[in-house]
Amino acid sequence: KQEVTQIPAALSVPEGENLVLNCSFTDSAIYNLQWFRQDPGKGLTSLLLIQSSQREQTSGRLNASLDKSSGRSTLYIAASQPGDSATYLCAVPGAGSYQLTFGKGTKLSVIP
Amino acid sequence: GAVVSQHPSRVICKSGTSVKIECRSLDFQATTMFWYRQFPKKSLMLMATSNEGSKATYEQGVEKDKFLINHASLTLSTLTVTSAHPEDSSFYICSALSGRAVNEQFFGPGTRLTVL
Repeated sequence: KQEVTQIPAALSVPEGENLVLNCSFTDSAIYNLQWFRQDPGKGLTSLLLIQSSQREQTSGRLNASLDKSSGRSTLYIAASQPGDSATYLCAVPGAGSYQLTFGKGTKLSVIP
Repeated sequence: GAVVSQHPSRVICKSGTSVKIECRSLDFQATTMFWYRQFPKKSLMLMATSNEGSKATYEQGVEKDKFLINHASLTLSTLTVTSAHPEDSSFYICSALSGRAVNEQFFGPGTRLTVL
């Protein structure tokens, strides 16, 4: 059974800092990995999706990497802003399935 | 593109009543949608997979007679919480499989259900 772990559970940084969020998964037989953002009381916003054949994806100040063999992904946020404060979730689909398994998320606080 | 809506965004009901939540893909067709439940400060828990034109597939421990799912069209899935109890109070989120090559899921904004 796939398990997804996110470290750290919470992170507080001053505005302007670069930061890295970590995600690990136990079953490397995935065909993609998604990073999401969730604001309090809201749904999920898809940030980046990396296919298993890719090593990284970039969108603006966000860069996600994937090392499938080691079961790890990182989300790099450059020049953090207070508006980046949210919970960040990574998720992978199960083998032969579209159902996503989520990590518990990293709650990010960017201090002005 | 790839917008998913949910209605209502918030609902309060009395114990014993039924509540229907709608999930719509606004600008794409979704043969597969998913329903999740999220408890405070917890991650999402998959409840069921909704397939257009066929019966939903429920995860272990989820009562299919309590959480009725109907995927009547390629853009609409509904979740009905029947005979609601206070322990059903939660945040319910749906997602839709985009059908694009990357098989990306897009999520709705969620529905906050409070059962009194």
